[in-house]
Amino acid sequence: SAVISQKPSRDICQRGTSLTIQCQVDSQVTMMFWYRQQPGQSLTLIATANQGSEATYESGFVIDKFPISRPNLTFSTLTVSNMSPEDSSIYLCSVNSDEQYFGPGTRLTVT
Amino acid sequence: AQSVTQLDSQVPVFEEAPVELRCNYSSSVSVYLFWYVQYPNQGLQLLLKYLSGSTLVESINGFEAEFNKSQTSFHLRKPSVHISDTAEYFCAVRGHTGNMLTFGGGTRLMVKP
Repeated sequence: SAVISQKPSRDICQRGTSLTIQCQVDSQVTMMFWYRQQPGQSLTLIATANQGSEATYESGFVIDKFPISRPNLTFSTLTVSNMSPEDSSIYLCSVNSDEQYFGPGTRLTVT
Repeated sequence: AQSVTQLDSQVPVFEEAPVELRCNYSSSVSVYLFWYVQYPNQGLQLLLKYLSGSTLVESINGFEAEFNKSQTSFHLRKPSVHISDTAEYFCAVRGHTGNMLTFGGGTRLMVKP
């Protein structure tokens, strides 16, 4: 199993600013995933982060907007850059251990 | 590539009534199938999964889902729902050789007294 924590749990930010979300896992994992859940919608994969290599972004997501760090096997960060109200979402960290586990999410509101 | 369709965005039902939440998928490869539940203001939790073997899988809280390969479906059922089952339910698939989950749009189950 894997226990995932995220910081912050929620934030309200002004447009044009950036927010970095942290994800900590209680065990070493090779792959970490970042998902976005827009209001009233399903989860969309933003990118996959492997330790020691550049993150792989899904269609519609770019590194300049969502830079990701993966400094070790238990930690990752996702930055939402130059935010606009359309970035208001829940951002979830996920890992694939014996099954897929999800963090509690970071609820971001951009005003 | 895979895709998942949850036909019902909302399902209102009275307490103790049966419920079925529908899930259909498409994929060019063999897949594993999952149902996740998201209770209000909480994170995603795995409800049940189909990896192989018996096509009928059950959760500890009375839900079950049946994998139907010919109909590419993985519908979730419960014979008698409780108020506490009110939540958002997501169907998801993952290819046998992949690591990425593809989610359906979600179904909001609303159990009324």
